[in-house]
Amino acid sequence: GENVEQHPSTLSVQEGDSAVIKCTYSDSASNYFPWYKQELGKRPQLIIDIRSNVGEKKDQRIAVTLNKTAKHFSLHITETQPEDSAVYFCAAGFQKLVFGTGTRLLVSP
Amino acid sequence: DAGVIQSPRHEVTEMGQEVTLRCKPISGHNSLFWYRQTMMRGLELLIYFNNNVPIDDSGMPEDRFSAKMPNASFSTLKIQPSEPRDSAVYFCASSYEGIGNQPQHFGDGTRLSIL
Repeated sequence: GENVEQHPSTLSVQEGDSAVIKCTYSDSASNYFPWYKQELGKRPQLIIDIRSNVGEKKDQRIAVTLNKTAKHFSLHITETQPEDSAVYFCAAGFQKLVFGTGTRLLVSP
Repeated sequence: DAGVIQSPRHEVTEMGQEVTLRCKPISGHNSLFWYRQTMMRGLELLIYFNNNVPIDDSGMPEDRFSAKMPNASFSTLKIQPSEPRDSAVYFCASSYEGIGNQPQHFGDGTRLSIL
């Protein structure tokens, strides 16, 4: 089955810096890669997703890149703000998703 | 547009009691997923349904857990008997399985505490 590894587990940045979170997956059949943001006590919320026929996708300060050959994908957040502080999860799969273990991002003012 | 609705939001009960969690997916979505989230194990998929039929229940921890989807707008996850190690946040998510893969939308979760 699919296995997703996510790094780092924690990430501390200063406001205005960029943050990068990386994930690798094992199943070459996986073709859908969403990223979720979860604030404390809240539900995971989809922030961006990418499909296997696309190498990069951008939405304002957030971008995701996918390298199918190497089976890894990354989330890039530019100009970070304190409200970006949360746990971020990557996931990979087809009909069902396998989630990474999460990255706790802390943005300090 | 209403999102995924879960009830109850919080449940505290004693070990050995039956627990029933409920979920109403987004109207028009035909795939429904039950997840469990804990600090130790992260976000785990327990079971998912497509068009009300269970497709993959390999994540259900043991026979004490069961899930049903009697119609397109309602699903339950039951734990009987409950144990303290079942304490977790249980999320329900739904998606539309159309052409290609679609995003999963999560409900607010049920925080379950077994004493």
